[in-house]
Amino acid sequence: RKEVEQDPGPFNVPEGATVAFNCTYSNSASQSFFWYRQDCRKEPKLLMSVYSSGNEDGRFTAQLNRASQYISLLIRDSKLSDSATYLCVVNEEGYSTLTFGKGTMLLVSP
Amino acid sequence: DVKVTQSSRYLVKRTGEKVFLECVQDMDHENMFWYRQDPGLGLRLIYFSYDVKMKEKGDIPEGYSVSREKKERFSLILESASTNQTSMYLCASSFQGANEKLFFGSGTQLSVL
Repeated sequence: RKEVEQDPGPFNVPEGATVAFNCTYSNSASQSFFWYRQDCRKEPKLLMSVYSSGNEDGRFTAQLNRASQYISLLIRDSKLSDSATYLCVVNEEGYSTLTFGKGTMLLVSP
Repeated sequence: DVKVTQSSRYLVKRTGEKVFLECVQDMDHENMFWYRQDPGLGLRLIYFSYDVKMKEKGDIPEGYSVSREKKERFSLILESASTNQTSMYLCASSFQGANEKLFFGSGTQLSVL
């Protein structure tokens, strides 16, 4: 059974802090990895894909560690608007659908 | 901008009623999906479709059926609603395969009394 595990949090951080989330996946055949963001009472939206070499988008950095089967999301200089739930999403080769983690809640306070 | 529209934001139904949840996308996406999201359980896939008149079971299809008569429209049907189907239902669409970006509708909060 496909499993994607995340710490539910909440992670409480002050504005300007750096925060990191990890996500582990059970199937070594997993091929594609993503982070989605979901604001309270809103739909999920793609934040970024995660590439093997790691990738950065502004204040956000995503890393993949295939040997240990986890991906990470680092947020630098946290903003109040970063408060949301971050969903780890995995796709396995040959599978036509995505597997979502249950999400990690981030709360950024003034 | 891609738009995925779900017919109702909130819906209240009685046990045993037949319930239709409608979803329409305007980007000519081949793939469409129905998820439910519950606290502590995350997003779970109910059904998906790659093409008109095609459907595939997801992880939790029991008690649900779907219909895709037109490419832009994907309907979720609860044949006889039960209280354990009270949930947030999210429709999504995408191009090609699952590796493509998923676009979600804003969700329907269904309460079955």
